[in-house]
Amino acid sequence: RKEVEQDPGPFNVPEGATVAFNCTYSNSASQSFFWYRQDCRKEPKLLMSVYSSGNEDGRFTAQLNRASQYISLLIRDSKLSDSATYLCVVNINSNSGYALNFGKGTSLLVTP
Amino acid sequence: DADVTQTPRNRITKTGKRIMLECSQTKGHDRMYWYRQDPGLGLRLIYYSFDVKDINKGEISDGYSVSRQAQAKFSLSLESAIPNQTALYFCATSDSGTGYNEQFFGPGTRLTVL
Repeated sequence: RKEVEQDPGPFNVPEGATVAFNCTYSNSASQSFFWYRQDCRKEPKLLMSVYSSGNEDGRFTAQLNRASQYISLLIRDSKLSDSATYLCVVNINSNSGYALNFGKGTSLLVTP
Repeated sequence: DADVTQTPRNRITKTGKRIMLECSQTKGHDRMYWYRQDPGLGLRLIYYSFDVKDINKGEISDGYSVSRQAQAKFSLSLESAIPNQTALYFCATSDSGTGYNEQFFGPGTRLTVL
């Protein structure tokens, strides 16, 4: 089983739509969680850290469910500029070392 | 935003050549990382360093070596490049003092090994 799994999409949505991405992780020792955004051939950029209580930043809401080992990202009122690949990222820091595990990403295309 | 810079940005080389990729940061972060990204495989950690003189292997360190010359610099070397090392390479940094360890990436180096 992969450490971090995401639906690759693509998700094609019209402008103004609400879209949700899900991500599951396999290691219960995972300590911190992030969503990154990556545009084609560019570097990943931090979108949000995901806190246990859930957190919101403008149109973006992230949720964490440790019991189910599940992370979500909700985008409201989608903009054309939201088109990108969204990476779910999970950090593990244990006695055996450090790992930041990236999902393969979910592709979003927002259309006019 | 030029806080994390990578040189070169693009490089084409031949099998067997030694290649060095450089990463510099002005963020004042203590931790630095090297990743590679391949289509369909996502980002994979090659090496990481939590401070000067601290070097740790990541998931796919074979065929690579690194050097942390100063807190602001972390270089990645391919001693004898091979075609399956063709990939997009990213350097990243993080600050251990924040607790949550968000990473910030450089613009990437596109390496092609012929």
